[in-house]
Amino acid sequence: QSALTQPPSVSGSPGQSITISCTGTNSDIGDYKDVSWYQQHPGKVPKLIIYAVNNRPSGVPERFSGSKSGNTASLTISGLQAEDEADYYCSSYRRSATLAFGGGTKVTVL
Amino acid sequence: QVQLVQSGSELKKPGASVRVSCEPSGYTFSSSSINWVRQAPGQGLEWMGYISTTSGNAKYAQDFRGRFAFSLDTTVTTAYLEISSLRTEDTATYYCARDSGWYFTYWGQGTRVTVSS
Repeated sequence: QSALTQPPSVSGSPGQSITISCTGTNSDIGDYKDVSWYQQHPGKVPKLIIYAVNNRPSGVPERFSGSKSGNTASLTISGLQAEDEADYYCSSYRRSATLAFGGGTKVTVL
Repeated sequence: QVQLVQSGSELKKPGASVRVSCEPSGYTFSSSSINWVRQAPGQGLEWMGYISTTSGNAKYAQDFRGRFAFSLDTTVTTAYLEISSLRTEDTATYYCARDSGWYFTYWGQGTRVTVSS
């Protein structure tokens, strides 16, 4: 089963906004609200930053936001900060009680 | 607080088997299924599947059917991942994670499995 499609890399300057896309199909993102995003710093455990499309767990800064349109979900980081440099992964529930991750996007803060 | 503690790193030869443990604490073990996620060196996250902590039934992602097995020991509230007939391409970090509704708030610290002759 194929992974969700993410751009390999996105970059931005401090203070800028960036958006990471995550494209699936109508068997996952297009048909379900179970879209999540994870942040992973090198050598660290993934951290949940968005769940159910646009919900932030307690403690996650407001500059992280999520959305979905059709078969594509998006993660926006507003006011990019140096500590946001990390890998980001989307995930979505997929038909038949399975889950798919995206291939990951490396965010570089210039 | 919720924690998932995994067993330590493993070095195995091709063809051997390995068992990784995941011991949750800080919540009722039977309230959430346990998912397993693989991350090969320098690669992304792959969902392997999950095991229900109430029924013991497991669901495997397509790429993880056959040599991979999830199990539970409810007497010690521990989940296990066993990989048989290890291959060099199984070299990866394996994570367990508590299911919160198809997203994972809590993860184990990861177990590095290295397969090398």
